[in-house]
Amino acid sequence: QKEVEQNSGPLSVPEGAIASLNCTYSDRGSQSFFWYRQYSGKSPELIMFIYSNGDKEDGRFTAQLNKASQYVSLLIRDSQPSDSATYLCAVSSGNTGKLIFGQGTTLQVKP
Amino acid sequence: NAGVTQTPKFQVLKTGQSMTLQCAQDMNHNSMYWYRQDPGMGLRLIYYSASEGTTDKGEVPNGYNVSRLNKREFSLRLESAAPSQTSVYFCASSETGGGNGYTFGSGTRLTVV
Repeated sequence: QKEVEQNSGPLSVPEGAIASLNCTYSDRGSQSFFWYRQYSGKSPELIMFIYSNGDKEDGRFTAQLNKASQYVSLLIRDSQPSDSATYLCAVSSGNTGKLIFGQGTTLQVKP
Repeated sequence: NAGVTQTPKFQVLKTGQSMTLQCAQDMNHNSMYWYRQDPGMGLRLIYYSASEGTTDKGEVPNGYNVSRLNKREFSLRLESAAPSQTSVYFCASSETGGGNGYTFGSGTRLTVV
């Protein structure tokens, strides 16, 4: 079982819709959870991080964490074609700072 | 503010050649990391340095060595390149413990023929 799992997609949504990206993790001791966006040929850039159960909102983005179910998700409201990218979920445990990344989900937002 | 700077951006090596990938950050971060990214495999940790003077192996360290030269610089060396090391390499840095996430460099695309 992979430590951090994501559906590779592609996930295709129409412009203006809500895109829902999901991630599960295996280590119950995980403490910090991150979402990165990566455009083709570019480096990952941090979108959001979440530590506590529940929702965290930042503009059009909402991260949701459920530690009991070992599940973290990212919602993108009012999706735009510029949101088309690969979204990487990453999980950290302990205090080393090491992140374990999922394979990423490719999102396509169609005009 | 440059953030994390990686050099070179592209490199082609012949099997058996050696090279060093350079990484420098100007954010006064304590922790630095080297990842490789392969299609379908995601980002995999090669080595990391939690603080100046320390280095530790990650998930895929074989065939690589690292040096934390000072707080700013963390280099990755391939002593004898193999085709399996063809990949995109990313350096990243973070505050101690990585709590606020990483800042990534722009990457090095390495091809070993």
